[in-house]
Amino acid sequence: EPEVTQTPSHQVTQMGQEVILRCVPISNHLYFYWYRQILGQKVEFLVSFYNNEISEKSEIFDDQFSVERPDGSNFTLKIRSTKLEDSAMYFCATTGGLKDYNEQFFGPGTRLTVL
Amino acid sequence: RKEVEQDPGPFNVPEGATVAFNCTYSNSASQSFFWYRQDCRKEPKLLMSVYSSGNEDGRFTAQLNRASQYISLLIRDSKLSDSATYLCVVIPPFSGGYNKLIFGAGTRLAVHP
Repeated sequence: EPEVTQTPSHQVTQMGQEVILRCVPISNHLYFYWYRQILGQKVEFLVSFYNNEISEKSEIFDDQFSVERPDGSNFTLKIRSTKLEDSAMYFCATTGGLKDYNEQFFGPGTRLTVL
Repeated sequence: RKEVEQDPGPFNVPEGATVAFNCTYSNSASQSFFWYRQDCRKEPKLLMSVYSSGNEDGRFTAQLNRASQYISLLIRDSKLSDSATYLCVVIPPFSGGYNKLIFGAGTRLAVHP
């Protein structure tokens, strides 16, 4: 069964450092998303991406965040200058295959720890 | 008012029990509704979509009441493997076809022998 993959599984970084989280979507999927989940809290929408541009972003997704799909394969989330409060699980999700349009398939997540 | 509200639980039930979870959503024009399941420190996985007519998948039954803005999930004959957090998920209106998901905080279920 096709699946979304994410790397790394766990990233530890110092406050102020840049991090890049990577996602490989399911082949032929057209819509890509990033969500985050702070420990013990709900899953929150960050951004949606379609046709190589951001289609919607939340208030959380400020100027420190960016997304791109540089090589037509990986879908990346960059945090330019990490803060302690960026510590969370970051999930990539994709949808838009030929079937099950509304189902978003989630990757296993990257746990980001900012020290 | 929160966009999606759920009773956090936990619900502690014995194997074989029937358990029901409820969820309310604030925006009456919301488009689509789902139940996702999340195991500890794992990604959310779609359990089932929720339709106005109600739908059933094996031991799981989901209902939607648009008038009351209320969604429910019924699990019959609970198994140990049903232990997880159940997330009520809504697609809000005017998502432009991009379908961002709005999650409730989840209801934790613990099934014991």
